[in-house]
Amino acid sequence: NAGVTQTPKFQVLKTGQSMTLQCAQDMNHEYMSWYRQDPGMGLRLIHYSVGAGITDQGEVPNGYNVSRSTTEDFPLRLLSAAPSQTSVYFCASSYSNMGNQPQHFGDGTRLSIL
Amino acid sequence: AQTVTQSQPEMSVQEAETVTLSCTYDTSESNYYLFWYKQPPSRQMILVIRQEAYKQQNATENRFSVNFQKAAKSFSLKISDSQLGDTAMYFCAFIPYSGAGSYQLTFGKGTKLSVIP
Repeated sequence: NAGVTQTPKFQVLKTGQSMTLQCAQDMNHEYMSWYRQDPGMGLRLIHYSVGAGITDQGEVPNGYNVSRSTTEDFPLRLLSAAPSQTSVYFCASSYSNMGNQPQHFGDGTRLSIL
Repeated sequence: AQTVTQSQPEMSVQEAETVTLSCTYDTSESNYYLFWYKQPPSRQMILVIRQEAYKQQNATENRFSVNFQKAAKSFSLKISDSQLGDTAMYFCAFIPYSGAGSYQLTFGKGTKLSVIP
């Protein structure tokens, strides 16, 4: 049981490049989400999904796309990277969005945009 | 919208002593959950303790306990017998029980705790 797996762990991009951050979970969780963590800002929700085929925006969605074709995978796409997207990105999953279901976090991806 | 405030950016405590981390929040919801997460240097997000707003009894998990004051919208974390492994960033977080906001954990900005040998 691997839990929530994020790849890559580190990535450096140039401004304007695109890339996909991968997130996979093997716990059959319906709810998955992406957060970004910036210094002094805590974690902020980018996008979330309540099940395969269903996604919605969080607090800071601009510049990011997501899709959920399977229960297991929830990739985050940066279409044209900008220095403001330099951050640490966390994927999380849980059985539901309810607070009585603990969220399982991946180990994070540190992304630097030059 | 909900807000979570952690007023102590950094704290330190001597090993084996007790320390309390503060958290206040603002919400119009009556039912919600509150959490403390620990983030060690390894960057993992680890759930420390959870409190359900409709429960008056304060949650405890071994050396970790909370002081939940619903009327004051306060949710502090007490760490007893501090250990070196407690050195980490600690985040307070909030999620409503239901409604549109229930899909989003709202985090405070964190408190960096250092345990000194």
